[in-house]
Amino acid sequence: QKEVEQDPGPLSVPEGAIVSLNCTYSNSAFQYFMWYRQYSRKGPELLMYTYSSGNKEDGRFTAQVDKSSKYISLFIRDSQPSDSATYLCAMSADTGRRALTFGSGTRLQVQP
Amino acid sequence: DAGITQSPRHKVTETGTPVTLRCHQTENHRYMYWYRQDPGHGLRLIHYSYGVKDTDKGEVSDGYSVSRSKTEDFLLTLESATSSQTSVYFCAISTTGPNTEAFFGQGTRLTVV
Repeated sequence: QKEVEQDPGPLSVPEGAIVSLNCTYSNSAFQYFMWYRQYSRKGPELLMYTYSSGNKEDGRFTAQVDKSSKYISLFIRDSQPSDSATYLCAMSADTGRRALTFGSGTRLQVQP
Repeated sequence: DAGITQSPRHKVTETGTPVTLRCHQTENHRYMYWYRQDPGHGLRLIHYSYGVKDTDKGEVSDGYSVSRSKTEDFLLTLESATSSQTSVYFCAISTTGPNTEAFFGQGTRLTVV
């Protein structure tokens, strides 16, 4: 079983819709949570970064972390065709020499 | 791109040949990583470095080695390339620590025939 699970999609929504992207994880030591956006044939770019539980908002994007359920979400409001990309969640523990563990990514298509 | 340059960007090589990929950063950051990305697997960590000559294995390190003799350069070597190593390889840096956000290069698309 993977440490981080993410539905691969594709998820297709109309322009202006609210999008919900999710990841579940099994490692209770994870404390740092990130969302990356990756356009085709490009490197991932950081969208959101949160530590521990709670919500964080940045423009049209909101990240939520529920550590009790081992579940994180990214919400995109007023989605645009330019939001069409693959979204990857990533997380890491607060101990030792670790790097990020990634989900496999959800492909999002926003239809104009 | 956080000052990260990967080279080459594309490479086709034959099975059994050695291949070296280079990651160069201009920001003088301590933490550097090599990931590979494959359909259905997302990004998987190959090796990482916490400084010059300080490297360690990730979850998919078999068949790969790394070197970091200068802060700005992190090299990934496939000792004897196999078709299973056909992938997109990404270098990343962390600006403030190993458990914080990473910034990625544009990737190297490697095909082993």
